Amino acid sequence: GAVVSQHPSWVICKSGTSVKIECRSLDFQATTMFWYRQFPKQSLMLMATSNEGSKATYEQGVEKDKFLINHASLTLSTLTVTSAHPEDSSFYICSASGLAGVGQYFGPGTRLTVL
Amino acid sequence: GDSVTQMEGPVTLSEEAFLTINCTYTATGYPSLFWYVQYPGEGLQLLLKATKADDKGSNKGFEATYRKETTSFHLEKGSVQVSDSAVYFCALREGGSEKLVFGKGTKLTVNP
Repeated sequence: GAVVSQHPSWVICKSGTSVKIECRSLDFQATTMFWYRQFPKQSLMLMATSNEGSKATYEQGVEKDKFLINHASLTLSTLTVTSAHPEDSSFYICSASGLAGVGQYFGPGTRLTVL
Repeated sequence: GDSVTQMEGPVTLSEEAFLTINCTYTATGYPSLFWYVQYPGEGLQLLLKATKADDKGSNKGFEATYRKETTSFHLEKGSVQVSDSAVYFCALREGGSEKLVFGKGTKLTVNP
């Protein structure tokens, strides 16, 4: 089946620094990638949708200048948390989809802790 | 807006017990419904889905029936195994959209 990887799997950083998370589709071309955020005991909340080569579409309430998303190729999307603060600590999950109707394939997630 | 409500966990069962995880939804249109499973250390995987009323999705012994009259999509398995221990997410997707709306997840632990 389709495999999606994320790197790093966990990261700890100091408040005020920026952190980049990578999401790769390993064996298929992902025309669309999704970024989710999950708080403990909460559901996955969609942050943004990105299509290769175009700007990401952010969900209401998500700061696009804080959560920078780049989808420069059909196999890679990155999420950069800029000037991270403790309240940004969370579990970030990406998913990728190729042909329409096939569905989304999820990465294993990245645990971000901001001190 | 659309939403999914699933039973709070955690759920702990003995091997071979019957499993039910309740899921109800609210949606403006006619959504497709999904159950995803997340094993420890892995990404979410699609377990089963149903795209219209009265459809039954099934996979690996799990079943769920799309009940429009009760807006429900409860997950069931007749005899759980230790290997079924995971977190289960109910989700919906409105027609014409790729966006998924998830429930909070239910952690299942099956003891030998």
